[in-house]
Amino acid sequence: DTAVSQTPKYLVTQMGNDKSIKCEQNLGHDTMYWYKQDSKKFLKIMFSYNNKELIINETVPNRFSPKSPDKAHLNLHINSLELGDSAVYFCASRTGTGIGHEQYFGPGTRLTVT
Amino acid sequence: QKEVEQNSGPLSVPEGAIASLNCTYSDRGSQSFFWYRQYSGKSPELIMFIYSNGDKEDGRFTAQLNKASQYVSLLIRDSQPSDSATYLCAVILRQGAQKLVFGQGTRLTINP
Repeated sequence: DTAVSQTPKYLVTQMGNDKSIKCEQNLGHDTMYWYKQDSKKFLKIMFSYNNKELIINETVPNRFSPKSPDKAHLNLHINSLELGDSAVYFCASRTGTGIGHEQYFGPGTRLTVT
Repeated sequence: QKEVEQNSGPLSVPEGAIASLNCTYSDRGSQSFFWYRQYSGKSPELIMFIYSNGDKEDGRFTAQLNKASQYVSLLIRDSQPSDSATYLCAVILRQGAQKLVFGQGTRLTINP
């Protein structure tokens, strides 16, 4: 019974292609996130959705588009992939709002653009 | 100045000793502070959170928060080789914000 799951785990593709990463959480959480972790292990937020509504949209190229069909799912679509997009992408979720902010991460998707 | 700063290490500690990991943050209005552990090739795992000044203990782990000095630390007592990982400090920079900002992480190695 995985809490936050992502597919695929590994994704190898060529420059210029379009790809999607899917995320699902079965924790009943209201808020979901996408993070990017680069080769130096720096973890940076990209997007956040609360009950299907976009609430955080960091400075991310327009080629990245999140979609949340329902509060248990948050997908990430990337158009025209570039070499610099190679990284590990983590989905995370948390419940509610307020001072507590314990986030739970999925296993990650390692994207390699060649 | 980075919003959340950690010494990237590596930090080497002998088995059984106390490992001390430090983190500073830039926004004095920050309210919530978290420590995540990340093993190589794995996802970050929440191990401690602290909201009030002082110490918070959970097993071998103690989180310490000093809001006046904008400083949060993690102590690991009786360090074990299985504690070898990268430790990420994360902060919500101001109350009500939804965004968790991470430091660059400290790589900890426990030597048997």
